[in-house]
Amino acid sequence: NAGVMQNPRHLVRRRGQEARLRCSPMKGHSHVYWYRQLPEEGLKFMVYLQKENIIDESGMPKERFSAEFPKEGPSILRIQQVVRGDSAAYFCASSLRLAGDYNEQFFGPGTRLTVL
Amino acid sequence: SQQGEEDPQALSIQEGENATMNCSYKTSINNLQWYRQNSGRGLVHLILIRSNEREKHSGRLRVTLDTSKKSSSLLITASRAADTASYFCATFQSGYSSASKIIFGSGTRLSIRP
Repeated sequence: NAGVMQNPRHLVRRRGQEARLRCSPMKGHSHVYWYRQLPEEGLKFMVYLQKENIIDESGMPKERFSAEFPKEGPSILRIQQVVRGDSAAYFCASSLRLAGDYNEQFFGPGTRLTVL
Repeated sequence: SQQGEEDPQALSIQEGENATMNCSYKTSINNLQWYRQNSGRGLVHLILIRSNEREKHSGRLRVTLDTSKKSSSLLITASRAADTASYFCATFQSGYSSASKIIFGSGTRLSIRP
């Protein structure tokens, strides 16, 4: 059973370009979470999605960032018109279900975005 | 602001020694977790301790939780070179709108000297 897959593992973009980060959850998991990690810091929550729905996007910057988790295919985190401050590691996690109590989130290896 | 703050930020010890990391948090929790992150890699879930538990063991790991002080500690006994990593405490809060979030601290970078 493959774990959470993220691609690409490394992404280099110039200022003003778009970055698209993909996350395939573990088989059977319908909950996906995106986190951002700046150098020397912990992970910060960005957005929580279920299939075709954004449940909680309280950690997402209001502009340039968007996320989706379509019925078919991976979850996509999209960053438009990237700036140097977007350089970070972006981690995706998935869980089996949400039942009012803790459900372990399994993390992918991350995508390291570098904005030149 | 971050929910958890680890102390120390960096720790270097000799192989075979014990390593202790501390975490403080701000609000009420249902559980607290510790994660490990090797350099350039994703996170690995180590252990979860619930708010009604005071101590938990898993192999060479021992976690304590003091809800009155809003603090937790992670002890790694008989450290090995492979334990070199960053360690994060994280809290999970129930309630539909917030149950989605794991709130991470800023981490302790542990280095084991051979």
